[in-house]
Amino acid sequence: NAGVTQTPKFQVLKTGQSMTLQCAQDMNHEYMSWYRQDPGMGLRLIHYSVGAGITDQGEVPNGYNVSRSTTEDFPLRLLSAAPSQTSVYFCASSRTGGLNQPQHFGDGTRLSIL
Amino acid sequence: RKEVEQDPGPFNVPEGATVAFNCTYSNSASQSFFWYRQDCRKEPKLLMSVYSSGNEDGRFTAQLNRASQYISLLIRDSKLSDSATYLCVVTQYSGGGADGLTFGKGTHLIIQP
Repeated sequence: NAGVTQTPKFQVLKTGQSMTLQCAQDMNHEYMSWYRQDPGMGLRLIHYSVGAGITDQGEVPNGYNVSRSTTEDFPLRLLSAAPSQTSVYFCASSRTGGLNQPQHFGDGTRLSIL
Repeated sequence: RKEVEQDPGPFNVPEGATVAFNCTYSNSASQSFFWYRQDCRKEPKLLMSVYSSGNEDGRFTAQLNRASQYISLLIRDSKLSDSATYLCVVTQYSGGGADGLTFGKGTHLIIQP
């Protein structure tokens, strides 16, 4: 079982560059979300989606875009990378019921912005 | 902002001991509660959901106290492999919508041989 797959696992960017973090799940989960985890801050919600074609902002959405064209995929786009976006990014999914269901996490993308 | 608070630790506990830690939440309308475990440089993984009546899974017991707005995790007969960071997770709601899951910053547990 693949579960939630994130790519890449590591990435170094220069300030101002753009990139897309990929997230795919094969569990037919409706709810998907992106978090960032920083030392001393815990996990913070960036964007989430309750189904294909529907996305919404979380706690820290600025500087990030998402789209949900299929149930399986939920890419996160950094429009113009900034050093403050250096973090570990986790994608998560859960079945219908979203927040009341356990979240399944990918193994993370470690992103450094120089 | 709604908060979920945890003692960051670290809790240094000898192998075989019982350890317990709490998590407090500020939003009285919170509906769902979970404990996740996160190993160093790994993703969080669900340890257990927390039900109103309390629940047990092997050596792990979770309790919910809605009146005082906290949840607890008790680990009995601790093993070296229990060393990890334990994240308290609460569903936050405001108005008619869900803000999302709010994660505590975690409690770091170290089981010593």
